[in-house]
Amino acid sequence: EAGVTQSPRYAVLQEGQAVSFWCDPISGHDTLYWYQQPRDQGPQLLVYFRDEAVIDNSQLPSDRFSAVRPKGTNSTLKIQSAKQGDTATYLCASSRDSQAPLFGEGTRLSVL
Amino acid sequence: QQKVQQSPESLIVPEGGMASLNCTSSDRNVDYFWWYRQHSGKSPKMLMSIFSNGEKEEGRFTVHLNKASLHTSLHIRDSQPSDSALYLCAASKPSGSWQLIFGSGTQLTVMP
Repeated sequence: EAGVTQSPRYAVLQEGQAVSFWCDPISGHDTLYWYQQPRDQGPQLLVYFRDEAVIDNSQLPSDRFSAVRPKGTNSTLKIQSAKQGDTATYLCASSRDSQAPLFGEGTRLSVL
Repeated sequence: QQKVQQSPESLIVPEGGMASLNCTSSDRNVDYFWWYRQHSGKSPKMLMSIFSNGEKEEGRFTVHLNKASLHTSLHIRDSQPSDSALYLCAASKPSGSWQLIFGSGTQLTVMP
């Protein structure tokens, strides 16, 4: 079974630039999560979907971040105007039924 | 305020020794606890989960849960250098999807 696939693996930006992260969940997993993990901290949930519907995006900075999952499969997380404080690893995870979320390898973002 | 508190922040044990990690939730609505392990530069991998009071053992790993105090602990016996990693505790509420709230983690180093 293929795991959760994320791209790109790394991104380096100047402040004010935009960036998009892409996630392909495990086939058949209806729930998809995006987490932000700053260095030396635990992952913090940004948003999660069940199929194409947003279930909770209360922790997503809505002025600059957006996330979509239009067909209930792949998902894109976008930062419109990156800030240095956005430097972190962005993790995508997926799950189904009562299984624990399985994580992808993440995208490491550095904002200079 | 962090809803999931982990201690200690870092722990060094000798090879073959016992490592004990602690985790407490301040959110009384949580009902499930998870332990993930994250090697440097890698994604978190689920180690064990526990939902009921008591103890659960899998190989060298034992998890305890006290639901009254919302405290869980992870014990690793016969620790190996390959166990060196960031150990993340997560709590979630009983729901259809696992909306995990992570602690900041305990960085375990096992010295050969």
